[in-house]
Amino acid sequence: DTGVSQDPRHKITKRGQNVTFRCDPISEHNRLYWYRQTLGQGPEFLTYFQNEAQLEKSRLLSDRFSAERPKGSFSTLEIQRTEQGDSAMYLCASSLASGGRSNYGYTFGSGTRLTVV
Amino acid sequence: AQSVTQLDSHVSVSEGTPVLLRCNYSSSYSPSLFWYVQHPNKGLQLLLKYTSAATLVKGINGFEAEFKKSETSFHLTKPSAHMSDAAEYFCVVGPQGYSTLTFGKGTMLLVSP
Repeated sequence: DTGVSQDPRHKITKRGQNVTFRCDPISEHNRLYWYRQTLGQGPEFLTYFQNEAQLEKSRLLSDRFSAERPKGSFSTLEIQRTEQGDSAMYLCASSLASGGRSNYGYTFGSGTRLTVV
Repeated sequence: AQSVTQLDSHVSVSEGTPVLLRCNYSSSYSPSLFWYVQHPNKGLQLLLKYTSAATLVKGINGFEAEFKKSETSFHLTKPSAHMSDAAEYFCVVGPQGYSTLTFGKGTMLLVSP
């Protein structure tokens, strides 16, 4: 296992189209996180899963965004009816948590860069 | 609530000189604090973390940071910059035992020969 993988690395889409990104975490990690990073800003938390349960969603995650982790392994992030403001780097990370606490060993993927034209 | 302020958007140093990247934090809880580095087209890499043990934390590549509760600061330092240190650095805060992290806006470190 070489780390967190994200696919695709780059995505260009027309406004109004739907896009889906995939994240494959480190296999033994039970927590998976999605962050968004816009130009000149630090990453902002979107949502996270423990196993297949989505435990928290940021208010940044509008109803056009949906994330799933159906079998507690890989996750998908879908954006419906994309807008130009959705253009950003979407980062996935994973960690191992036990007893309700994360060991903070986040490992980030290289991200998916979305450009909405 | 928690927040992070990175006091400099850009820092320029010459190779071989010391590096200081400044970070102040605010947290309603006892915080955990981190520094991450992001090289162009690469993922975020953890440099070091503070989780209530020693206040002086040593990380990878010669970086270290000191947690100062009275000053709510967690500045990142390195005695001697290397060209390969040129990257963007993020100060990050998270409540201990909790998952979500709050990132600062980042400091771009430029290293000249």
